[in-house]
Amino acid sequence: SYVLTQPPSVSVAPGQTARIACGGNNIGSKSVHWYQQKAGQAPVLAVFDDTRRHAGIPQRFSGSNSGNTATLTISRVEVGDEADYYCQVWDNISDECVFGGGTKLTVL
Amino acid sequence: QVTLRESGPALVKPTQTLTLTCSFSGFSLRTEDMCVTWVRQPPGRALEWLALISWDDDKYYKTSLRTRLTISKDTSKHQVVLTMANMDPADTATYYCARTQDGSESHYRDWGQGILVTVSS
Repeated sequence: SYVLTQPPSVSVAPGQTARIACGGNNIGSKSVHWYQQKAGQAPVLAVFDDTRRHAGIPQRFSGSNSGNTATLTISRVEVGDEADYYCQVWDNISDECVFGGGTKLTVL
Repeated sequence: QVTLRESGPALVKPTQTLTLTCSFSGFSLRTEDMCVTWVRQPPGRALEWLALISWDDDKYYKTSLRTRLTISKDTSKHQVVLTMANMDPADTATYYCARTQDGSESHYRDWGQGILVTVSS
């Protein structure tokens, strides 16, 4: 089955740029979606279809997808961005949804 | 306004069958491309997709759990039900339902708050 690989953690200082990678075989050919999950809360859709921001998500959040890596970029990181971030795709071969292992973003 | 709410037992015993209900409002599962899915999250661990049902009653399951899962819908009651057989302590998790309005392969734009299910004797 299709596997999505994310770094377990990313740390940045406030005001800096955070980049969270999501690796998968030829992931550039798939639509990638990103979710933000703050502690004790349900996931929230952040970016979908590689680059589109969900309603209410700040413009500081952006996505890209090419080759074997999709990336969620958070510019001018704020303390309130601290959360776990998950990438997601649909695997057309097995006909099932796949989530990455999640990345914990820490704002130093 | 779209809302989803999970309900079911907080505690089940090993080998029992878990039945969870997702009650929703603000949309209809009769609408083309509308789907409801179930996702779980063991404590401190990652999200894990389980199953999805579409407006036209197509059903998709996580391959490794296919033999234990059943998803169904009651359109008139605005509910989706997930059953998981032969529960094990490793199935202890928060179970979420979510919806997509863009087809089975798309993103999940609305989520319920989740329900914690503990499997223990």
